[in-house]
Amino acid sequence: AQSVTQLDSHVSVSEGTPVLLRCNYSSSYSPSLFWYVQHPNKGLQLLLKYTSAATLVKGINGFEAEFKKSETSFHLTKPSAHMSDAAEYFCVVSEGYGGATNKLIFGTGTLLAVQP
Amino acid sequence: ETGVTQSPTHLIKTRGQQVTLRCSSQSGHNTVSWYQQALGQGPQFIFQYYREEENGRGNFPPRFSGLQFPNYSSELNVNALELDDSALYLCASSLVASGGPTYFGPGTRLLVL
Repeated sequence: AQSVTQLDSHVSVSEGTPVLLRCNYSSSYSPSLFWYVQHPNKGLQLLLKYTSAATLVKGINGFEAEFKKSETSFHLTKPSAHMSDAAEYFCVVSEGYGGATNKLIFGTGTLLAVQP
Repeated sequence: ETGVTQSPTHLIKTRGQQVTLRCSSQSGHNTVSWYQQALGQGPQFIFQYYREEENGRGNFPPRFSGLQFPNYSSELNVNALELDDSALYLCASSLVASGGPTYFGPGTRLLVL
């Protein structure tokens, strides 16, 4: 079975400083990995997606993630945090399901706080 | 904003009642999934529908059931509501076999008293 582990439940950064949200995955084959963001009282928004085309994936709002097979990691980074980045972030792995894919398995989430 | 819409936005029910939640998929998407997100947790997969058939189910009891209609809209039905069913219910749509992403609706927040 596939799974993801988010290593930090809370991360606090100052505005303008780098962001690092850590995620490790477990998969018996090459996984499809995602990062989603959830702002308060909002739905989930896809930040970026990895599907083996390139190990460094660029997403929206300046976020990017690097797939490292040797470390089974898929950490999310951003060079400079903005106040609007404060939200909950989920690392997600896709599990194929019969002929149709897209069963998503979510991590427990990392709450990012951005201090002024 | 995605093209996935859900109704209602909020709902209050009492234990033992039944509830129906609705979802309209993003245009062109033929697969719909439902997720339950309890407070402070990540979403949990309930089930997925493809071509109006259930095609995958998570660890949820049979009192959670669903439908997908020819226009790809969907319903989630929960019978015999329990207090632990209080959660945010998220609908997600995707296009199977496209390799494309899954888009989520804003959710329906259900409170069971």
